[in-house]
Amino acid sequence: DTGVSQNPRHKITKRGQNVTFRCDPISEHNRLYWYRQTLGQGPEFLTYFQNEAQLEKSRLLSDRFSAERPKGSFSTLEIQRTEQGDSAMYLCASSLDLGFSYNEQFFGPGTRLTVL
Amino acid sequence: AQKVTQAQTEISVVEKEDVTLDCVYETRDTTYYLFWYKQPPSGELVFLIRRNSFDEQNEISGRYSWNFQKSTSSFNFTITASQVVDSAVYFCALSAKTSYDKVIFGPGTSLSVIP
Repeated sequence: DTGVSQNPRHKITKRGQNVTFRCDPISEHNRLYWYRQTLGQGPEFLTYFQNEAQLEKSRLLSDRFSAERPKGSFSTLEIQRTEQGDSAMYLCASSLDLGFSYNEQFFGPGTRLTVL
Repeated sequence: AQKVTQAQTEISVVEKEDVTLDCVYETRDTTYYLFWYKQPPSGELVFLIRRNSFDEQNEISGRYSWNFQKSTSSFNFTITASQVVDSAVYFCALSAKTSYDKVIFGPGTSLSVIP
C-alpha cells in the first residue's frame, strides 16, 4: 500500500497523559499536513511541513501540541497533558510540491483519540 | 476570509431516491479548487472530485453528478438512485490560491439512505 499511513488508528487515554501519533506520507511527497476533526465537524488545518521545516501553525495548535518531521519523512504529533477537548480524529495528509501553484493533498485514515 | 457552508446537517432518503447535497463557498481569490469527500463510518476521507475555478462544466460520474455555478458560489452534489452504501458524511472543501496548503472544509452533511 503506497498511501498515507497513520498509527495508531485508535488511542484511548486518560486526561493528563501524553500521547504521540505517527504519520508516514507517500514516499516521494515533500509536504505533510496535520488536521483535526472533532465530532460533527469538518477537518480543520493544524500545521504543515515542507520537508523537515514547519512552515505554518494554526492558532488551534496550542502549546500542548508539538509536531515534528525530523528527517523530512514521517511526522509525529504529540499532545501533552491531554484534555477531554482533545478528543478528535487527527488526520494527516501529504502532497508533492514541485514549485507549481497547486499540490493535491492525499489523506491518511486518521487516528481517533478519546480522552477519558 | 474563506468559508464553506453546507446548510444541510442531516438528510434521510429512501433507497433509489435522488438526493442533492448543497455547498456554498466564499473566497476572494479568483483561482481556487473545490472538492467533495465522502467519509464513511470507518472515518477515512474518500476523495470524490476536484474542480478548478476556471472550469464550470458540470461533471457526471456514474450515479454522481456535480453542478458548479460561480455566479452563486455553489458546488452542489447529486446522487441519483441512491443506495444504502451511499450512507456517509459528505464534505465540501475549498483550497484557494492565497493559501493552497490549507484546505477549508465545510461542516459536512450526514446522508442516511434507508432501504
